[in-house]
Amino acid sequence: DVKVTQSSRYLVKRTGEKVFLECVQDMDHENMFWYRQDPGLGLRLIYFSYDVKMKEKGDIPEGYSVSREKKERFSLILESASTNQTSMYLCATSQELHYGYTFGSGTRLTVV
Amino acid sequence: KQEVTQIPAALSVPEGENLVLNCSFTDSAIYNLQWFRQDPGKGLTSLLLIQSSQREQTSGRLNASLDKSSGRSTLYIAASQPGDSATYLCAVRSGNTPLVFGKGTRLSVIA
Repeated sequence: DVKVTQSSRYLVKRTGEKVFLECVQDMDHENMFWYRQDPGLGLRLIYFSYDVKMKEKGDIPEGYSVSREKKERFSLILESASTNQTSMYLCATSQELHYGYTFGSGTRLTVV
Repeated sequence: KQEVTQIPAALSVPEGENLVLNCSFTDSAIYNLQWFRQDPGKGLTSLLLIQSSQREQTSGRLNASLDKSSGRSTLYIAASQPGDSATYLCAVRSGNTPLVFGKGTRLSVIA
């Protein structure tokens, strides 16, 4: 089975800090995704990547950037954390179109 | 733009009951539809994946159906148990775009 590992389960950061959320997968999947999940709003796509060095904006990219230097690692960066970025962050991976998504266990980020 | 709706938003049933969760989507040109389970504070666990050419998929007490032309899917849970209590999410994949999710149905199974 594909394993998707998010480096932290819980994270507390201060306003204005630069925050790195790491996601690593072990199955050579091309596609990787970052979502955030908030009560009442569901899952919203932040950024995604269909290949190394490639990135695409999702529905809510403002305040975020990403890095994908290696196929197995997709990092989400909060350039200057703000309290409205307090959320659950979920990383996912998939193969081509007819395959399902596999999610990591999530990172609960609190910005104070 | 694809939109996914799940009804009801919350459901409470007694143990042993059979139940149906509903999912609808606006654009029928999908590649596949995936049902997930999410326990509080945890990530998403994939339950069933239905390709656009399929009508249903089964796993244990779970059965998911897909009617692409009408833009609907249902997740049927037989003989519900307290351990089935969780949020169930439906998501569709269209073209080369990432999964679009519904907001989920929060299920409580009462012993």
